[in-house]
Amino acid sequence: GAGVSQTPSNKVTEKGKYVELRCDPISGHTALYWYRQSLGQGPEFLIYFQGTGAADDSGLPNDRFFAVRPEGSVSTLKIQRTERGDSAVYLCASSHPGNEQFFGPGTRLTVL
Amino acid sequence: EDQVTQSPEALRLQEGESSSLNCSYTVSGLRGLFWYRQDPGKGPEFLFTLYSAGEEKEKERLKATLTKKESFLHITAPKPEDSATYLCAIKGTGGYQKVTFGIGTKLQVIP
Repeated sequence: GAGVSQTPSNKVTEKGKYVELRCDPISGHTALYWYRQSLGQGPEFLIYFQGTGAADDSGLPNDRFFAVRPEGSVSTLKIQRTERGDSAVYLCASSHPGNEQFFGPGTRLTVL
Repeated sequence: EDQVTQSPEALRLQEGESSSLNCSYTVSGLRGLFWYRQDPGKGPEFLFTLYSAGEEKEKERLKATLTKKESFLHITAPKPEDSATYLCAIKGTGGYQKVTFGIGTKLQVIP
């Protein structure tokens, strides 16, 4: 079956702009995670959804970052007033609750 | 706060030369330790989950083991296609669903 997909694969934006990153999880997976991975680092947890609700958003770095999952499937990570330090690969993963996570290929965000 | 330390940061092996990667962790209560493989430009690929000290799991040339303070990923007779970054991650009782990753070990297997 289809895996986790993320769009766009690459996004270049200017400092101060708003961006949206999309994640399509594996069908039937109710758990969805967002991570951020900087060069040479491991993935850093941002937020966890169980169904439509953000059950754990403790990893969001500040209030410029927000994520939604309105119908319990597709999720969008939204970043306002982007900064150069936001440049990274943003990874999405989905799973059945408590089981192993399946990751998407990521979106590489570059803020100029 | 949950912490994961992986060593070495990089490892270069000849094909067939067995070795081990280390993952040391600090957590209030372990709910699971995970190993992933990550190829350049791709998302991590799940390998193993370990839950309690003494547990071992194997897959082809890989074997993961767990103690109360660390986990090892043993690679037996590696092949060039095993070249990748291997990531260790933990989920603790205090962090709800938060998973904490290490920085990984970049493995290169030379033919």
